[in-house]
Amino acid sequence: NAGVTQTPKFQVLKTGQSMTLQCAQDMNHEYMSWYRQDPGMGLRLIHYSVGAGITDQGEVPNGYNVSRSTTEDFPLRLLSAAPSQTSVYFCASRTFRGVDQPQHFGDGTRLSIL
Amino acid sequence: GESVGLHLPTLSVQEGDNSIINCAYSNSASDYFIWYKQESGKGPQFIIDIRSNMDKRQGQRVTVLLNKTVKHLSLQIAATQPGDSAVYFCAENSGGSNYKLTFGKGTLLTVNP
Repeated sequence: NAGVTQTPKFQVLKTGQSMTLQCAQDMNHEYMSWYRQDPGMGLRLIHYSVGAGITDQGEVPNGYNVSRSTTEDFPLRLLSAAPSQTSVYFCASRTFRGVDQPQHFGDGTRLSIL
Repeated sequence: GESVGLHLPTLSVQEGDNSIINCAYSNSASDYFIWYKQESGKGPQFIIDIRSNMDKRQGQRVTVLLNKTVKHLSLQIAATQPGDSAVYFCAENSGGSNYKLTFGKGTLLTVNP
């Protein structure tokens, strides 16, 4: 059971480059989300989706785009990378089946912007 | 604003001792709480959760206590093992349609052999 899979695990970009962080889950979870983790800041929500075709902003959405064309995949796009986006990015998913289900996380993408 | 915080940023214990990690929350509307464990280079791993209509919940070697009067959450780990060394986060779900989790900044637990 793979759970939440993120690729790549590591990436170095130059300022202004674009890239897509991939996230896939095989648990048929309705909800998916992206967080960034910075030292001393905890995990902060970037974007989230409650189902295919539906996305919404979290608390730090600027500079990031998302789409949800399938239940399984939720890619995060950086259109023009900036040094402030150097961080560790985590994707998470949860089901709405049952009351109060926890989010399950992938192992992250470590992104450095030079 | 509403936030989730931790009383102790670091905790060092001897192997075999019990560990207690504390968390304070300020959003009285939060109705669901989760503890996560994060090992170096890994994503947060679900440990245990509790709803606001409960005071205590037990898992395997872990117990979560919720005190709504003082808005306090704790994670107790029995017979702490070296493999328990990690950063522990509490998270709260304040409800609403975004299912947003608010995370504390984490406590680093170090288990000494």
